[in-house]
Amino acid sequence: DAGVIQSPRHEVTEMGQEVTLRCKPISGHNSLFWYRQTMMRGLELLIYFNNNVPIDDSGMPEDRFSAKMPNASFSTLKIQPSEPRDSAVYFCASSLDGGPLETQYFGPGTRLLVL
Amino acid sequence: QQQVKQSPQSLIVQKGGISIINCAYENTAFDYFPWYQQFPGKGPALLIAIRPDVSEKKEGRFTISFNKSAKQFSLHIMDSQPGDSATYFCAAGRGRGNFNKFYFGSGTKLNVKP
Repeated sequence: DAGVIQSPRHEVTEMGQEVTLRCKPISGHNSLFWYRQTMMRGLELLIYFNNNVPIDDSGMPEDRFSAKMPNASFSTLKIQPSEPRDSAVYFCASSLDGGPLETQYFGPGTRLLVL
Repeated sequence: QQQVKQSPQSLIVQKGGISIINCAYENTAFDYFPWYQQFPGKGPALLIAIRPDVSEKKEGRFTISFNKSAKQFSLHIMDSQPGDSATYFCAAGRGRGNFNKFYFGSGTKLNVKP
């Protein structure tokens, strides 16, 4: 299996621009997670989908962030407009069914720099 | 506030030595404690996990020690190898309910010197 696939791997953009991060979960996994990793705040859960439905988006920092999962094999995290404080590594992870003891498999991450 | 506190931030160990990373948590509802290992340019990967019904879990050279009363748990890496050089994250969550929302520590960057 190819594992969780994320694109792009690196993104440099200017403040105010729209940024779209993409994720393809492991085939057969029903749960998908978006995380953000920064030096200051560590690894934070932004949003969790189960069967393509957002279950918990309490970690989404503000309205500038939105996430969608139109089908079982694709999800996007969008930031509009982007700000320098959004600079971070964004990870997508998937698990079989999101159960409390299920292993989450992380993608390689997207390193975002907002100038 | 930070749900899980991790220390040290960085650690240098000689090959063959013991690496010890400590974590503490506040929420007594947490009952599942995984450790993740992250190599540069890669996403975190599950290394080992423990439930509080045991005080220790060992897998190969990796051991988790758990102290429920102190709300602390630690990762010990015996006979540390240069290939263990990575960033390690502890996490805590509830091993019940609908999904596993984890709270991660801030990470420890381990460098094992040959």
